[in-house]
Amino acid sequence: QVQLQQWGAGLLKPSETLSLTCAVSGGSFSDSYWTWIRQPPGKGLEWIGEINYRGGTNYNPSLKSRVTMSVDTSKSQFSLKVTSLTAADTAVYYCARDYHKYPYTWFAPWGQGTLVTVSS
Amino acid sequence: SSELTQDPVVSVAVGQTVSITCQGDSLRSYYASWYQQKPGQAPVLVIYGKDNRPSGIPDRFSGSSSGNRASLTITGAQAEDEADYYCNSRDSSGNHLVVFGGGTKLTVL
Repeated sequence: QVQLQQWGAGLLKPSETLSLTCAVSGGSFSDSYWTWIRQPPGKGLEWIGEINYRGGTNYNPSLKSRVTMSVDTSKSQFSLKVTSLTAADTAVYYCARDYHKYPYTWFAPWGQGTLVTVSS
Repeated sequence: SSELTQDPVVSVAVGQTVSITCQGDSLRSYYASWYQQKPGQAPVLVIYGKDNRPSGIPDRFSGSSSGNRASLTITGAQAEDEADYYCNSRDSSGNHLVVFGGGTKLTVL
């Protein structure tokens, strides 16, 4: 059974770069896309982007200029970087396995979430 | 359009049936998936595809769709079903990017 474990810095200052990593265990890394989703406090879910094992990416257009995703297939890990942080980037960030093959799409399982707070 | 619309708040009495709806043009192309999120926890997939439940999800949860509308139905709601529910699909305009509904807060009375 696939499990995701994520980690990264939780308190950052404005203009700094967020860096999170998600490790995949219990299943194949190369048969899925992998995604990042965030949730500001008290608000809904916002998709950040997705990446496959070959490094192919799709990003949310609203964040594309600041987001970079990468994979390390040797470790079954994928990572997220978001640059030029502001308070609006404060959120719980989740990683998840991303299944999509038209006309189906879903995310499961999810990582435990990482609260990232941007404050001076 | 890449938007999915959900009613912000829905309530149901214990044991009754409730449907949570999601509306958007992308649902004409992609099946919706549905997630349950309880306070302080990560979302959990409850319905995907036409009407599929992951292992461990009670059979009182079901899904349906018609046109640009998808529904999550809970038949015989339980107190533990009180949670936020989100629908998800993909933009049907060509780039197939992910969209989420704004979420529905389900209160079980």
